[in-house]
Amino acid sequence: NAGVTQTPKFQVLKTGQSMTLQCAQDMNHNSMYWYRQDPGMGLRLIYYSASEGTTDKGEVPNGYNVSRLNKREFSLRLESAAPSQTSVYFCASSGQDISSYEQYFGPGTRLTVT
Amino acid sequence: AQKVTQAQTEISVVEKEDVTLDCVYETRDTTYYLFWYKQPPSGELVFLIRRNSFDEQNEISGRYSWNFQKSTSSFNFTITASQVVDSAVYFCALGPNYQLIWGAGTKLIIKP
Repeated sequence: NAGVTQTPKFQVLKTGQSMTLQCAQDMNHNSMYWYRQDPGMGLRLIYYSASEGTTDKGEVPNGYNVSRLNKREFSLRLESAAPSQTSVYFCASSGQDISSYEQYFGPGTRLTVT
Repeated sequence: AQKVTQAQTEISVVEKEDVTLDCVYETRDTTYYLFWYKQPPSGELVFLIRRNSFDEQNEISGRYSWNFQKSTSSFNFTITASQVVDSAVYFCALGPNYQLIWGAGTKLIIKP
C-alpha cells in the first residue's frame, strides 16, 4: 500500500518549457488535489477533482491544467513554465465520506524554473 | 467567509518544555471538521488528527493533546515534554467538506 505517489521528485525547467507532474493513489479515494507550497508559506490549492471525470479550479489555477485520467491518477501540466511557478507541488487524495475527509499527501515535487 | 488563522508564525522552545500551537477558525457551517498536519524538515505532510464539530471532547495521543472549544472557535494543539523530533511546521485546516481551508502554519523549533 504505497498511499499517494508523485513523479518526478525534482525537476528543473527553463522558462517556456512544458512538463506534466504525475500523481497516483491506491487508497480508492474519490477526491484528488494539487497544491503548491512556496517557501515559508502554507498550501494553496491549484486544482481539485471531486470524483473521476470532474475537475475544478482552486485558488491559483492560472498557468496550469489537470487531467483526472481515472480514479487512481491525477496529473498536473505546466504548458509554458514561468519562474513564478518555482515551488513544491503536492498531490493529495481523500474520501468523500464524513469519516474520511482527511487528505493524504504525496512526497512532493520540487520544481525550479530558470 | 471561512478562514483559519494560526497567529504564531514561529515558536522556539527548549526540549522538554510544553508548547501550545493556536488555531482559530471562522465558519458559519454547523457541521464541520478540523484537522492538524505536521510537516517535518524532510517536507512530507503528515495527518495528525481530525475533529468533528459535534464532538468537543479533548483528545490525547501520547505527548500530543488537542483542545477543541466551539465557544472560542479554537482548536489548539499542545505538545507535552517537547522533543527535538517535534520540530516541524504544523498546519491547522478546516473542512466544511472534503475541500480543506488551510492556515498558514506555525514553525516549531525545539532546541536541545
